[in-house]
Amino acid sequence: GAGVSQSPRYKVAKRGQDVALRCDPISGHVSLFWYQQALGQGPEFLTYFQNEAQLDKSGLPSDRFFAERPEGSVSTLKIQRTQQEDSAVYLCASSLSGGYYNSPLHFGNGTRLTVT
Amino acid sequence: TQLLEQSPQFLSIQEGENLTVYCNSSSVFSSLQWYRQEPGEGPVLLVTVVTGGEVKKLKRLTFQFGDARKDSSLHITAAQPGDTGLYLCAGASNTGKLIFGQGTTLQVKP
Repeated sequence: GAGVSQSPRYKVAKRGQDVALRCDPISGHVSLFWYQQALGQGPEFLTYFQNEAQLDKSGLPSDRFFAERPEGSVSTLKIQRTQQEDSAVYLCASSLSGGYYNSPLHFGNGTRLTVT
Repeated sequence: TQLLEQSPQFLSIQEGENLTVYCNSSSVFSSLQWYRQEPGEGPVLLVTVVTGGEVKKLKRLTFQFGDARKDSSLHITAAQPGDTGLYLCAGASNTGKLIFGQGTTLQVKP
């Protein structure tokens, strides 16, 4: 596709529900990142994939958060037993290679998750 | 822990004014990037600076990387309403992650 696509754009979940957020990166992009962004703040790193390998998951806030990219393309971020503090915009980004300064990040428009 | 601090956090100015946004750290970064983000959209890369002391210009925007590669600035000349948005600096950390500052929200009034 032309850009990184995320779905759904908006998700409202009741506290305790499980949610799954999808990211379709730019075709051929090796690296994929998930970030969490609070309103008016900078994105915070969650996890990083190079192809299907999850190389860094140090930013995942708890074991309720799980991400996968089984075929090295589409990725899913799953949050189990959602809590109110999980409310945020979840951004996905992809890049052609693993290097930051020679391979810019292309961000999707995010999924806004609201936990009630 | 490598942190990036941006200042000011919020800036509201009139069209035609100049402004500078700062991005500071106590750590050295191999490169710094600047992004602009509009409501409901993802951040879009404006520029990457790699070399200490480097200056890059993008129309009315001037980006500078500090000599010690610990800080950067973004200067906008004659701001326009279309410049309104959230400006983010981001640094490539020594572990490979891209770390973002908390952002500067710019509002340019016509």
